[in-house]
Order: sequence, then C-alpha cells, then structure tokens
Amino acid sequence: SAVISQKPSRDICQRGTSLTIQCQVDSQVTMMFWYRQQPGQSLTLIATANQGSEATYESGFVIDKFPISRPNLTFSTLTVSNMSPEDSSIYLCSVDKASGSDEQFFGPGTRLTVL
Amino acid sequence: GQQLNQSPQSMFIQEGEDVSMNCTSSSIFNTWLWYKQDPGEGPVLLIALYKAGELTSNGRLTAQFGITRKDSFLNISASIPSDVGIYFCAGTPSGANSKLTFGKGITLSVRP
Repeated sequence: SAVISQKPSRDICQRGTSLTIQCQVDSQVTMMFWYRQQPGQSLTLIATANQGSEATYESGFVIDKFPISRPNLTFSTLTVSNMSPEDSSIYLCSVDKASGSDEQFFGPGTRLTVL
Repeated sequence: GQQLNQSPQSMFIQEGEDVSMNCTSSSIFNTWLWYKQDPGEGPVLLIALYKAGELTSNGRLTAQFGITRKDSFLNISASIPSDVGIYFCAGTPSGANSKLTFGKGITLSVRP
C-alpha cells in the first residue's frame, strides 16, 4: 500500500484565517481525495483532486472555501479558507489503490481546531 | 444520496469473544469495504469485497458481501484489546461515477 503523509498533523487557528494542508504520497497515484471528518462523525468527501485540472467538488463544498491544488501525481494541498469554529475537523487525504480501484488508502489526517 | 447504516453506535465485548457488525443500505452497492480507525490515525483498510456472496478473511476478521448487494457484515473472532477502535463500512453505490460512501461507524470496546 502507498505511504501517505500529511502536514501539519494538527493545528489551532484563529477564525478568519486560512490553513493549507499538504498531502504527500510515496508513489505516483491516479486519484487523490480530500475528506472531512467532524468530531465523532463519519467521513465526508470534499473533493477529488485532479492532476492538471480543477478539482471536482461534492455537493455542499465550494472552491472558494476549499481551494485544492494537485501539481503532480504525488502531491496535493487543501486550503481551508476564512475559517470558523464549524471548520474544526479532521481533514484526511486518500489515494486510490490502483487506477479504477474502489479501494482507498488514507493519510493520518490533520486535526484542525478553530477558535 | 445513498446511505450506509451501521448500528449500534457502540459495542462492548469481553476479550476473547467474537463480535459481528452489520452494514445495510436501501440501494445496491458494487463494492463493500471495511476500515478500522484508531484514535489519532486515518482509517486503515481491513477487507475489500467485490462480488455478491463473496466471503473473505484477513486473520481473525471475516467479511461477506451480501447476496442482495445491499448489506455486508464483518466478524471479528477471539477479540483482543488492540481490536478497540472505530469500524467503518464503506461502499461504492451502483451507477456511473459513484463515489465511496461511508457508514457512521461502530466504536468497539474490548474489556480485558
């Protein structure tokens, strides 16, 4: 399985600021995804990070709030913009096991607290 | 959208006991996946199922893809303390461009 790292592992931020989360994979992957996991809740897909094109966002998530970059096949960033306490969550990136596979491997997550 | 139902929210068992978790949906799914999440970590894939009726084992874990394609179960045999964690079912609904959908998870506690 792919080895996935995320930076930062956790952060405490003030409302109104923005935080960029990095996701690095040790091998080239086709698909990279960003999820949000609110406290005590399940995982909700934010968007699919597409290499060389704009990310594909799920219903309820917009690019202005969660801009995403995918400059190559091993790296992606998610920015949480103009944060509010409601954005306090774990943010997880994941990658597909292989092209066309439904199996995803997850990074360790970034624990964000917004005051 | 399609939802996956997992209940109860929490389960408490004695070390050495077997436990079974179920995941159901009102829609047909093409894939069923079971993940475990430890505190402070991302989910780890335990078992993947791709065919209706498929029964797959991974050590003390056994999972099955329901015949109706609307459910799956995960069995853990001879539980040990490190089995503690949150168990999520996930699946890909039938249909084009379907995305992986997660259940709400079951928190398992194992009493020594």
